[in-house]
Amino acid sequence: SAVISQKPSRDICQRGTSLTIQCQVDSQVTMMFWYRQQPGQSLTLIATANQGSEATYESGFVIDKFPISRPNLTFSTLTVSNMSPEDSSIYLCSVVVGATGELFFGEGSRLTVL
Amino acid sequence: TQLLEQSPQFLSIQEGENLTVYCNSSSVFSSLQWYRQEPGEGPVLLVTVVTGGEVKKLKRLTFQFGDARKDSSLHITAAQPGDTGLYLCAGAKGGNKLVFGAGTILRVKS
Repeated sequence: SAVISQKPSRDICQRGTSLTIQCQVDSQVTMMFWYRQQPGQSLTLIATANQGSEATYESGFVIDKFPISRPNLTFSTLTVSNMSPEDSSIYLCSVVVGATGELFFGEGSRLTVL
Repeated sequence: TQLLEQSPQFLSIQEGENLTVYCNSSSVFSSLQWYRQEPGEGPVLLVTVVTGGEVKKLKRLTFQFGDARKDSSLHITAAQPGDTGLYLCAGAKGGNKLVFGAGTILRVKS
């Protein structure tokens, strides 16, 4: 398993501002992902955070809106840029542990945009 | 279109009752995972099933993977209030990416 810490755990932000969410893992991991969970819904993959190179984004998500950094194998950040109320969600960092691709998640960062 | 159809969406039952949650797809998965999420926390992995027809038991929880590896079920026996939460199934199609079902919100009343 892995212990994953995210911060902030929650924040309330104004429309048009940006927020950076940090994810720290207690061990080196190869695969790290960022998910979004909108209110009352399931998880949607935003992107794969690649160490030393640009993140790989899923359909519907772009780098300008969700820039991601991954400077090493234990840390990543996700920025939500130029926020609007539609960006109000829980943002979750996750890592793969094990050969069967089991995901371990951080506690999530609950973002509310006013 | 949801790649993984999960049902029911909501389930409210009395303590002691049994329940089953289903996860169905037209796609074949190399493995399927079940997660439980409580409010304010991230999903926590319950089990991974890999082999078609596989059955795994975790105390009062029984997980089954369909023979064709397209579907799975989670059965809870004698549900307890502590079982309350969001249950998510997720299928792996290779490359470590998971596709999540829509989730089942379970509420067990005492």
